[in-house]
Amino acid sequence: RKEVEQDPGPFNVPEGATVAFNCTYSNSASQSFFWYRQDCRKEPKLLMSVYSSGNEDGRFTAQLNRASQYISLLIRDSKLSDSATYLCVVNMGAGNMLTFGGGTRLMVKP
Amino acid sequence: SQTIHQWPATLVQPVGSPLSLECTVEGTSNPNLYWYRQAAGRGLQLLFYSVGIGQISSEVPQNLSASRPQDRQFILSSKKLLLSDSGFYLCAWRVHLSYEQYFGPGTRLTVT
Repeated sequence: RKEVEQDPGPFNVPEGATVAFNCTYSNSASQSFFWYRQDCRKEPKLLMSVYSSGNEDGRFTAQLNRASQYISLLIRDSKLSDSATYLCVVNMGAGNMLTFGGGTRLMVKP
Repeated sequence: SQTIHQWPATLVQPVGSPLSLECTVEGTSNPNLYWYRQAAGRGLQLLFYSVGIGQISSEVPQNLSASRPQDRQFILSSKKLLLSDSGFYLCAWRVHLSYEQYFGPGTRLTVT
């Protein structure tokens, strides 16, 4: 089983749609969780941290479910510019290392 | 504010040639630094990390090495490149007291 697992997609959605991605992680001792966004042939950029209570940043909402060991990202009112690969990232509790999922590709169509 | 630089942006090298990629960070002191590789269509693989000058930890055995000669400089090297070394090499730094990492623009390496 992969340490951090994501559906690779692609998720093809029309502009204005709501789309959600899930990510599962294997280590119950994991402490910190993030979503990064990676555009084609570019470096990953931090989108948001994921807190136990859930958090929202504009059209983006992140949730953490420790009991089931998954995190989610919800994007409302999708824009063409949201098209990218979204990486689920977990600190597995060992030192300061992050483990990256393989990414979920999102394509927003006009 | 902090910025991270990597160069070169792209590189084409023949098999068996040496490699040196450089990463520098500005605006912070004593950062944790990381080298990752992303093969085409694949996830990020941690190669090396460093918590200070001269302190290097290797995560994956390979023909690559890393050095940290100065506080804000991190270098990735190879004596002889393999075809399998092709990929997108990313340097990252970590904020103290947080697990968030921030990436440089990357170097796209093609070994021919």
